[in-house]
Amino acid sequence: AQSVTQLGSHVSVSEGALVLLRCNYSSSVPPYLFWYVQYPNQGLQLLLKYTTGATLVKGINGFEAEFKKSETSFHLTKPSAHMSDAAEYFCAVSDNTGRRALTFGSGTRLQVQP
Amino acid sequence: DTGVSQDPRHKITKRGQNVTFRCDPISEHNRLYWYRQTLGQGPEFLTYFQNEAQLEKSRLLSDRFSAERPKGSFSTLEIQRTEQGDSAMYLCASSLPAGEASYEQYFGPGTRLTVT
Repeated sequence: AQSVTQLGSHVSVSEGALVLLRCNYSSSVPPYLFWYVQYPNQGLQLLLKYTTGATLVKGINGFEAEFKKSETSFHLTKPSAHMSDAAEYFCAVSDNTGRRALTFGSGTRLQVQP
Repeated sequence: DTGVSQDPRHKITKRGQNVTFRCDPISEHNRLYWYRQTLGQGPEFLTYFQNEAQLEKSRLLSDRFSAERPKGSFSTLEIQRTEQGDSAMYLCASSLPAGEASYEQYFGPGTRLTVT
């Protein structure tokens, strides 16, 4: 069985500060990992994904994440927060079976203070 | 391509009533997924289709829930005899059928169900 743990249900940063959202996963097979963002009353938008290859992946809106197998982590970072980054962020792992369903963490709400 | 659409966006119903939600996936995507998201939690997998075939149902999907995807296009999710515990956001997602891109799921805006 797969699982995702997101440390910190709420993170608050100042505008212009570094954003770091933590994600650890558990998977019995090589994982495919994702970060999604959800704005209020909207669906989820894919920020970035790791499947194979380069362990540092870049996504939209200046976000990036690094897959660290030894630490079973896939933390999301952004060098400089913008007010528009305020949202809920979800880390997810895909099972590599035929169904490819996503298992999500419980989410981290990012607040950006002016 | 306008993305995944869901209808209605909001539904308020009384306990015991039946409700039906619709999802229209991205046109070339033959995989379609349903997830449920309760307040403060991440989405949880309910079921998925490849074309018109429903290939798997989560144990979260009780016998009051039924999903269909006639002709492999849009999908419907019906909940019979709704209970207050059914109150949640129901999300639909679609993806391409094969290859690495099939791991990318595109989500609709969701249907928020409130059972009173």
